[in-house]
Amino acid sequence: DIQMTQSPSTLSASVGDRVTITCRASQSISSWLAWYQQKPGKAPKLLIYKASSLESGVPSRFSGSGSGTEFTLTISSLQPDDFATYYCQQYNSYLFTFGPGTTVDIK
Amino acid sequence: QVQLQESGPGLVKPSETLSLTCTVSGGSISSSSYYWGWIRQPPGKGLEWIGTIYYTGNTYYNPSLKSRVTISIDTSKNQFSLKVSSVTVADTAVYYCARHSSSFTYLDYWGQGTLVTVSS
Repeated sequence: DIQMTQSPSTLSASVGDRVTITCRASQSISSWLAWYQQKPGKAPKLLIYKASSLESGVPSRFSGSGSGTEFTLTISSLQPDDFATYYCQQYNSYLFTFGPGTTVDIK
Repeated sequence: QVQLQESGPGLVKPSETLSLTCTVSGGSISSSSYYWGWIRQPPGKGLEWIGTIYYTGNTYYNPSLKSRVTISIDTSKNQFSLKVSSVTVADTAVYYCARHSSSFTYLDYWGQGTLVTVSS
């Protein structure tokens, strides 16, 4: 099975900050990685797919990069609506796995 | 706009079978482009993929749950369903149904989720 890790687990930041979250896979997944945002009591929302493709309607301050085993999600200028938990998910094989999540909270 | 809605009992007794249905609107579940999945999230914890089904009935399960999980599809009703047998308190979670975009890939549309509590 492919294991996913994320760092940090929690991140405290202020509005306007540049934020970077890292996701690592236990083996190469090429670019088969997605990022989701989840707010309390809500379903996850797709932000990024294929490591760096921005889902339609998602603000351009979100970007993704990486390939192989290391990936990053960057928020260029954190907005009040961005305080949430972020999950990466690999879809390299017929066995999806999610990362444990990174919570972005207010500093 | 595709919409998904989970339905089913919110309370299940230990050792019994959890049953949920996902109704899809705004699109056909028989489309050859999409797969349909179930994901769960225990309270305060992360996301776990349970399994996925294609309109042909082909299924893919998380090995950690495979022995207790059955996913089925009813194309006439535009619905797919989840059954988890022999549940324990560890199966208490919010259960989501979702659509895989363009074949067996990421999840682009999600239901709102439904909390299922396992308790006597």
